[in-house]
Amino acid sequence: NAGVTQTPKFRILKIGQSMTLQCTQDMNHNYMYWYRQDPGMGLKLIYYSVGAGITDKGEVPNGYNVSRSTTEDFPLRLELAAPSQTSVYFCASSADVQETQYFGPGTRLLVL
Amino acid sequence: GEDVEQSLFLSVREGDSSVINCTYTDSSSTYLYWYKQEPGAGLQLLTYIFSNMDMKQDQRLTVLLNKKDKHLSLRIADTQTGDSAIYFCAEIRNSGNTPLVFGKGTRLSVIA
Repeated sequence: NAGVTQTPKFRILKIGQSMTLQCTQDMNHNYMYWYRQDPGMGLKLIYYSVGAGITDKGEVPNGYNVSRSTTEDFPLRLELAAPSQTSVYFCASSADVQETQYFGPGTRLLVL
Repeated sequence: GEDVEQSLFLSVREGDSSVINCTYTDSSSTYLYWYKQEPGAGLQLLTYIFSNMDMKQDQRLTVLLNKKDKHLSLRIADTQTGDSAIYFCAEIRNSGNTPLVFGKGTRLSVIA
């Protein structure tokens, strides 16, 4: 039981490039989340999903897209990377919205 | 206010007790959480309290909840150097587009 896994651990992008951050959970959780953490700040919710095929915007969705084709996977897509997207990205999952969220180890992204 | 508020820094001597405070916003929050983040790592659930409880104790950790003042605290007894980390308070919100809202985190430094 690996919990929540994220790849890659670290990536450098040039402005305008695109990439997909991968997130997988093996706990059969319905809910999955993407957060970003900027230095000295708490976590801001980007997108979340309540189940396969259903996604919703969080607090800071601009510049990102998500999809949820399976229960296990919740990839986050950056289409045109900007320096403002330099951050640490965390994926999380929970059995229900009121249940505890379990976090992945994070992906550190640097956009230059 | 809209934010979950925490003081940003706390410094204690090894062996002393640490108390980290948090003020949350949604009086209907059902669960309140404390997460711990060690350097370069993801968030780890430390403990949580259900809203119908005033106190929860788990080994060296004591959580106190004052619903009237919307105040949550985390007490760490006999603080050790391994407790040095950032501690995030989080609340479940029943409205808006962000199910779980985090404070900015309190950086605990333990001096040997």
